[in-house]
Amino acid sequence: NAGVTQTPKFQVLKTGQSMTLQCAQDMNHNSMYWYRQDPGMGLRLIYYSASEGTTDKGEVPNGYNVSRLNKREFSLRLESAAPSQTSVYFCAGGRGLSSYNEQFFGPGTRLTVL
Amino acid sequence: TQLLEQSPQFLSIQEGENLTVYCNSSSVFSSLQWYRQEPGEGPVLLVTVVTGGEVKKLKRLTFQFGDARKDSSLHITAAQPGDTGLYLCAGYPNSGGSNYKLTFGKGTLLTVNP
Repeated sequence: NAGVTQTPKFQVLKTGQSMTLQCAQDMNHNSMYWYRQDPGMGLRLIYYSASEGTTDKGEVPNGYNVSRLNKREFSLRLESAAPSQTSVYFCAGGRGLSSYNEQFFGPGTRLTVL
Repeated sequence: TQLLEQSPQFLSIQEGENLTVYCNSSSVFSSLQWYRQEPGEGPVLLVTVVTGGEVKKLKRLTFQFGDARKDSSLHITAAQPGDTGLYLCAGYPNSGGSNYKLTFGKGTLLTVNP
């Protein structure tokens, strides 16, 4: 089992370019999440998907869109990248939505927007 | 507003020393989790505490959940260089529709020097 995988590992974009960050999990997780991690800010939730076919906004959704393609895959799209979106992006999976849901994280995508 | 405040933000100690990291809030949490993150990787779950006053031990790590479920601590005995990393506390707030969005503290960066 690979767990949670993310591609690419690194990416450099110019302001205004678009790109999609890919995430896949083979742990049969129902819920999936996208976070960004910035120095001094901790992990902040961008979007999440409680189950296949549903998505909801998190704490910092502006400038992003997501697609839950199937149970395994959850992608994050930046339509017009801005320097403020320079960050490390983590995808995570969990068994479902509950107050005890443990989350399993991918290795991250390091994105720089020039 | 940061729901979960971690202290200290940075900690550098010598191998063999003991240490305690704190995670505090004015809000009640259904559960609290501790993750450890190593450079270039995603966070990895260490433990989940769900009952007020609960104490869990994981080898040299001891986790405690406050009686009022507003705070938690992580104590490491005889720290080793392999304990070096970013320790994150995270919790599910015990309030309304947010109880399935995991909230993270900013983390404590621990360095254990040989």
